[in-house]
Amino acid sequence: GAGVSQSPSNKVTEKGKDVELRCDPISGHTALYWYRQSLGQGLEFLIYFQGNSAPDKSGLPSDRFSAERTGGSVSTLTIQRTQQEDSAVYLCASSSERGRVTGELFFGEGSRLTVL
Amino acid sequence: KQEVTQIPAALSVPEGENLVLNCSFTDSAIYNLQWFRQDPGKGLTSLLLIQSSQREQTSGRLNASLDKSSGRSTLYIAASQPGDSATYLCAVEDSNYQLIWGAGTKLIIKP
Repeated sequence: GAGVSQSPSNKVTEKGKDVELRCDPISGHTALYWYRQSLGQGLEFLIYFQGNSAPDKSGLPSDRFSAERTGGSVSTLTIQRTQQEDSAVYLCASSSERGRVTGELFFGEGSRLTVL
Repeated sequence: KQEVTQIPAALSVPEGENLVLNCSFTDSAIYNLQWFRQDPGKGLTSLLLIQSSQREQTSGRLNASLDKSSGRSTLYIAASQPGDSATYLCAVEDSNYQLIWGAGTKLIIKP
């Protein structure tokens, strides 16, 4: 696609429910990142995928968070048993860089998650 | 541990003025530094990327400088316009390939 696409744009859920957030990166971009942005805070790194390599999961805050990337393209971020502190905007970004250096990032518009 | 600070947190200036946004970082061992803008409710848009070997980058009315030794970068916006109103974030890529983000400067350009 022309840009990074994320869905849903808004998600309201009840505490304890599972949610899935989807990211469709720019076609041909091998690097994909998930970040979390809480109100008034800087971005928090969650997970990084590069091609077929094992993902860098070092930023995932707990084992309730997981992410997959199928076929080197679309990625899904899953949050199990959501808590109120999970409320944030979840941003996905992709890059054409094939090495470990990040390079120029292209962001989607984010998925705003509200846990009641 | 790399830390990135952006001061001020918010800035309001009249249209037409030139302005400077600041970004400081604590560890000079970086691969690059990027400036982004974020409009309310939107994702981030990359503005300029400065490699560690570079001193500055320019795009239109924007100029970003990098001084690694002092741990500083500035984003200069010339002849500001109301459409420049947004939150501006800087991020450094540290020696572990991690992007470390500042909390941003919210810029308001008054018509």
